Amino acid sequence: TQLLEQSPQFLSIQEGENLTVYCNSSSVFSSLQWYRQEPGEGPVLLVTVVTGGEVKKLKRLTFQFGDARKDSSLHITAAQPGDTGLYLCAGNNPMDSSYKLIFGSGTRLLVRP
Amino acid sequence: DTAVSQTPKYLVTQMGNDKSIKCEQNLGHDTMYWYKQDSKKFLKIMFSYNNKELIINETVPNRFSPKSPDKAHLNLHINSLELGDSAVYFCASSLQGGGSYEQYFGPGTRLTVT
Repeated sequence: TQLLEQSPQFLSIQEGENLTVYCNSSSVFSSLQWYRQEPGEGPVLLVTVVTGGEVKKLKRLTFQFGDARKDSSLHITAAQPGDTGLYLCAGNNPMDSSYKLIFGSGTRLLVRP
Repeated sequence: DTAVSQTPKYLVTQMGNDKSIKCEQNLGHDTMYWYKQDSKKFLKIMFSYNNKELIINETVPNRFSPKSPDKAHLNLHINSLELGDSAVYFCASSLQGGGSYEQYFGPGTRLTVT
């Protein structure tokens, strides 16, 4: 069974600080996605990374896919209160043709003004 | 112009009742999903349909039965509700192919069984 472990589980920081969230697995994934979920809403896709070593930037957010495609990180620069939410990574098994996504355990981020 | 919509948003019911949650997507996607998110926010796949055909059926009690009348709709019917069914249920959709598996989620249905 493929598992995606996220760390940290909880993160409370001051506005303006930088942070990194990690998503790790012992299995290889074809692609990996990051979602953000706000209270009372469904997860919203932020980015998809496909190639090992790939780096993608979305304004103050930087996403990286590990060279071996087993892990990923999300770095936020100068965090703002609007970044508050639950961050979820999700990946799919390259041997599974059912389009099933495996979701990570989530990181709850609170950015204090 | 909501992409993935679910009804109802909130559902409070008693144990033993039967209830349904409806989902519709207007993205032209051909694959739809039901997820359950527990109190610890862990998101777990329950079912998936591709062009009205069931392709994912995780270990879910038989009391849960999905129905897809067409590829834009995926409903979830739950019989004999139990306390442990209380959770937020999310519908999602994606476009088959492309290999990226990007999914678009509805706003969720918070089910509370008393």
